[in-house]
Amino acid sequence: DTEVTQTPKHLVMGMTNKKSLKCEQHMGHRAMYWYKQKAKKPPELMFVYSYEKLSINESVPSRFSPECPNSSLLNLHLHALQPEDSALYLCASSHTSGGGEQYFGPGTRLTVT
Amino acid sequence: KQEVTQIPAALSVPEGENLVLNCSFTDSAIYNLQWFRQDPGKGLTSLLLIQSSQREQTSGRLNASLDKSSGRSTLYIAASQPGDSATYLCARGGANNLFFGTGTRLTVIP
Repeated sequence: DTEVTQTPKHLVMGMTNKKSLKCEQHMGHRAMYWYKQKAKKPPELMFVYSYEKLSINESVPSRFSPECPNSSLLNLHLHALQPEDSALYLCASSHTSGGGEQYFGPGTRLTVT
Repeated sequence: KQEVTQIPAALSVPEGENLVLNCSFTDSAIYNLQWFRQDPGKGLTSLLLIQSSQREQTSGRLNASLDKSSGRSTLYIAASQPGDSATYLCARGGANNLFFGTGTRLTVIP
């Protein structure tokens, strides 16, 4: 199984809402990633978790809060977002964080109104 | 600044043609080079991964090459099909990150 799943597929939220994005993999990978992709742009790294510990935060605003409850799950908690945060949020995993092949999920299309 | 550039930005070819997509990168500290396909509004599908010690990888009609000394990778697609229409992204693998190119939008005309 080389699948990374993400829920929900689509999310519309107001600027005062709190919501969460979920990512799951069962490949035994120990590194998981969140990327943000704006329309017609390449994905940009937000966070990296290695062995369930946050190893990289690419200066992401605190209104985005990642969580890795176990080695298979990665969440992204959202609070007080801005309309410019609307984007496709992609989760990925790899065997380890040391330059291994990354497998991506289908993404969550987020719209902030 | 670590830059990854893809040329051309868009490409239209008739069905059956062979084609080459280009990727160049400025940082020689490369762990691997990964090629992805992305359909509109969808996630990324990994096509080929070339480790830094390798020079090429093949999968079906796809062949990717890597030349670290010149900072270039190419993706060769043989006998293109309408189903190949998508955006193709290359990504330079660093220690903890992928640095993506801007992509080439490919249209294969039946």
